[in-house]
Amino acid sequence: EDQVTQSPEALRLQEGESSSLNCSYTVSGLRGLFWYRQDPGKGPEFLFTLYSAGEEKEKERLKATLTKKESFLHITAPKPEDSATYLCAVQATSGGSYIPTFGRGTSLIVHP
Amino acid sequence: EAQVTQNPRYLITVTGKKLTVTCSQNMNHEYMSWYRQDPGLGLRQIYYSMNVEVTDKGDVPEGYKVSRKEKRNFPLILESPSPNQTSLYFCASSLSFPGNNEQFFGPGTRLTVL
Repeated sequence: EDQVTQSPEALRLQEGESSSLNCSYTVSGLRGLFWYRQDPGKGPEFLFTLYSAGEEKEKERLKATLTKKESFLHITAPKPEDSATYLCAVQATSGGSYIPTFGRGTSLIVHP
Repeated sequence: EAQVTQNPRYLITVTGKKLTVTCSQNMNHEYMSWYRQDPGLGLRQIYYSMNVEVTDKGDVPEGYKVSRKEKRNFPLILESPSPNQTSLYFCASSLSFPGNNEQFFGPGTRLTVL
């Protein structure tokens, strides 16, 4: 069974205080790992897709990295507008499953 | 504007009263799906559709039905809603199989079943 565990559940940062969010996963074969941002009362918004270990992607203050067991979302010098819940999801290759598995998310609050 | 729309956004109903939540996308996406989001459980897929007339069960399909008669629409049907179906529902679409493509999510439908 595919599993995704995100940590920490909640994170409070001061503006400018860089940190990382973790997504640990267990799949028999990884087709893709996804990061989404979700603001309160809204649908998730796509951030990144990573396909293979060693891959990195960046967008503004966010950088996502991938190993064979986990992914990190690094937030550099965060601003209050980065406050949101960040979701990680994996899509496996095994068994022809088309069902992605989502983690429970990390709730990030950035204080000014 | 490329988007996924859902209606209604909020719905309060009673046990057993059939309801339909509509979902429409304007991006000509082949893949569409429905999720429910509950506190502490994350997003769980209910049903998905790879294309018109092709639907399949997700992780939590019990108590739900779907249909895909047109490419742009993917309604979620609750034939006899129960209180345990109280949740936040999201429709999503992607160009094709989501392993290769990002999913676009709708704004959500908050359903309360009394």
